[in-house]
Amino acid sequence: DAKTTQPNSMESNEEEPVHLPCNHSTISGTDYIHWYRQLPSQGPEYVIHGLTSNVNNRMASLAIAEDRKSSTLILHRATLRDAAVYYCILRDVYAGGTSYGKLTFGQGTILTVHP
Amino acid sequence: DTGVSQNPRHKITKRGQNVTFRCDPISEHNRLYWYRQTLGQGPEFLTYFQNEAQLEKSRLLSDRFSAERPKGSFSTLEIQRTEQGDSAMYLCASSLSSGGATDTQYFGPGTRLTVL
Repeated sequence: DAKTTQPNSMESNEEEPVHLPCNHSTISGTDYIHWYRQLPSQGPEYVIHGLTSNVNNRMASLAIAEDRKSSTLILHRATLRDAAVYYCILRDVYAGGTSYGKLTFGQGTILTVHP
Repeated sequence: DTGVSQNPRHKITKRGQNVTFRCDPISEHNRLYWYRQTLGQGPEFLTYFQNEAQLEKSRLLSDRFSAERPKGSFSTLEIQRTEQGDSAMYLCASSLSSGGATDTQYFGPGTRLTVL
């Protein structure tokens, strides 16, 4: 799987928008961009994924650069519950055989939300 | 449906003992994954089942580790002759997929193993 680069940590205030960046300069044309987050003392949970177009769901928005070498996860109004480690993960749909099953996590971005 | 469950939630054992963890996936999910997470690191993939077939194993999975998923339902992960380096959180995830890399993995709360 292609490598992603994220800042180690970011801080935000409650009720403000948060933009979490991810660089993936070696992304291939068949890589999907997935975001998961891990709240303290819990297993990771899915946030959002996309391929080329920007995506929105009830949790967040995903903005993908035109060249796909970077993406940004947007939390529109951060709450204290959004404090977590956010992981940006690339998954190759054509990794061959069954290799596309696994998620390859990096160290992620620790998001701190201040009241 | 209450999501992915894992038992036990915590396990403390002495070096050299065998331990077994259980994962109950979301019903009808055909894929089941095991990951290991050490403090301050992201989860690392260990192994993956499609129904009852174990289709991929990480190089991290030494011969002391074995996983099964009989009848494509629950799964067990056994560690034989535990070592202190095995201390970690062991996470299970499941997903429903007909192929491709867009399936959502649902994670359990994990089993925290401490080897003394």
